[in-house]
Amino acid sequence: AQSVAQPEDQVNVAEGNPLTVKCTYSVSGNPYLFWYVQYPNRGLQFLLKYITGDNLVKGSYGFEAEFNKSQTSFHLKKPSALVSDSALYFCAVRETGGATNKLIFGTGTLLAVQP
Amino acid sequence: DVKVTQSSRYLVKRTGEKVFLECVQDMDHENMFWYRQDPGLGLRLIYFSYDVKMKEKGDIPEGYSVSREKKERFSLILESASTNQTSMYLCASRASGRSYEQYFGPGTRLTVT
Repeated sequence: AQSVAQPEDQVNVAEGNPLTVKCTYSVSGNPYLFWYVQYPNRGLQFLLKYITGDNLVKGSYGFEAEFNKSQTSFHLKKPSALVSDSALYFCAVRETGGATNKLIFGTGTLLAVQP
Repeated sequence: DVKVTQSSRYLVKRTGEKVFLECVQDMDHENMFWYRQDPGLGLRLIYFSYDVKMKEKGDIPEGYSVSREKKERFSLILESASTNQTSMYLCASRASGRSYEQYFGPGTRLTVT
């Protein structure tokens, strides 16, 4: 079955330190991968995507993600965390093999940045 | 910018009531989606629609139905609300083609008592 895993329910990091939010996936064929962010009581906002090309993808708010095909991972990164980055982060992958192109979402990782 | 709006931010209904959640998008997107979000479970797809009057079941359609009479509007209907349908409901839309990212509304937090 196609799936996305976010192994950490919560990530804690001090402001100014680098952050990583992990994501691994399982799909057949070439993956289309996405990161979304959700602030409290809000909908999801699109951060970045990987479809093809450079393995390092840059997105909104200084975030980037690294696609690693051999490890089937798509980790979200930021060189220097801000308190305002504290939010819930979702990884998603496009379902392959069907006509609907649905997204499969992970369970989310809560990022807490301490001042 | 894509704008997806949902009719209510917060809603409280009684068990057995019929509930309508409305979603409107202003970017002429063909595809629209309804999800529910629960802690520890992430987002689960209830229904989606890829064209007017077309609908497909998602992963958890039981207890729900949908309606899409106009391209910009996608409604989620709880025929007889139950307490286990208390959740955050998120609507999303997406253009056809290779731009697969979805754009989300602000969500409706539904409480069924």
